[in-house]
Amino acid sequence: DAKTTQPNSMESNEEEPVHLPCNHSTISGTDYIHWYRQLPSQGPEYVIHGLTSNVNNRMASLAIAEDRKSSTLILHRATLRDAAVYYCILRRYNNDMRFGAGTRLTVKP
Amino acid sequence: DTEVTQTPKHLVMGMTNKKSLKCEQHMGHRAMYWYKQKAKKPPELMFVYSYEKLSINESVPSRFSPECPNSSLLNLHLHALQPEDSALYLCASSQVGLGGAKNIQYFGAGTRLSVL
Repeated sequence: DAKTTQPNSMESNEEEPVHLPCNHSTISGTDYIHWYRQLPSQGPEYVIHGLTSNVNNRMASLAIAEDRKSSTLILHRATLRDAAVYYCILRRYNNDMRFGAGTRLTVKP
Repeated sequence: DTEVTQTPKHLVMGMTNKKSLKCEQHMGHRAMYWYKQKAKKPPELMFVYSYEKLSINESVPSRFSPECPNSSLLNLHLHALQPEDSALYLCASSQVGLGGAKNIQYFGAGTRLSVL
């Protein structure tokens, strides 16, 4: 199974950009890179996903390395509401989506 | 409507009880999922249904029995659970297949289960 590796925790100051890294060296050609986040006492929430090209949406940007073995989730201006556990996941072709350990993001005022 | 509704929110059961968790979505999604999440751990995939048929079973003990009676409903029947089965049980749904919006999973808030 393709696995992802993320730092256990990261800290950021409010209104500053945050770069959350993820390594996925065993990614296969058909795996999509997904990011979800989980706020306290809630189910996971979709953030962004991509295959090969960088992606932007209203929540974040996803930068994917050219060899696809790593990616970075970018929150452009962190707010206190962005404090959560962020999961980088490889979604397989058969709806198989397994969570890695995730990065706990703390945002300081 | 992008809501996945799980009931009940909390459940306490004894080891000899039989109970069921329910999950419902009305987004027309044909893939539905059960995950188990222990405290401070990531969600672990348990089962995946695709077009109402079980497509992935992650070697889950038989005391957990999933059921997908129609495209909107997903149940998890519980029988003879152990205290170590206490966890947050999450349901999710998505469209089937790769590409674009089909990839997005929508999660419910979960059922917090305590087994005494």
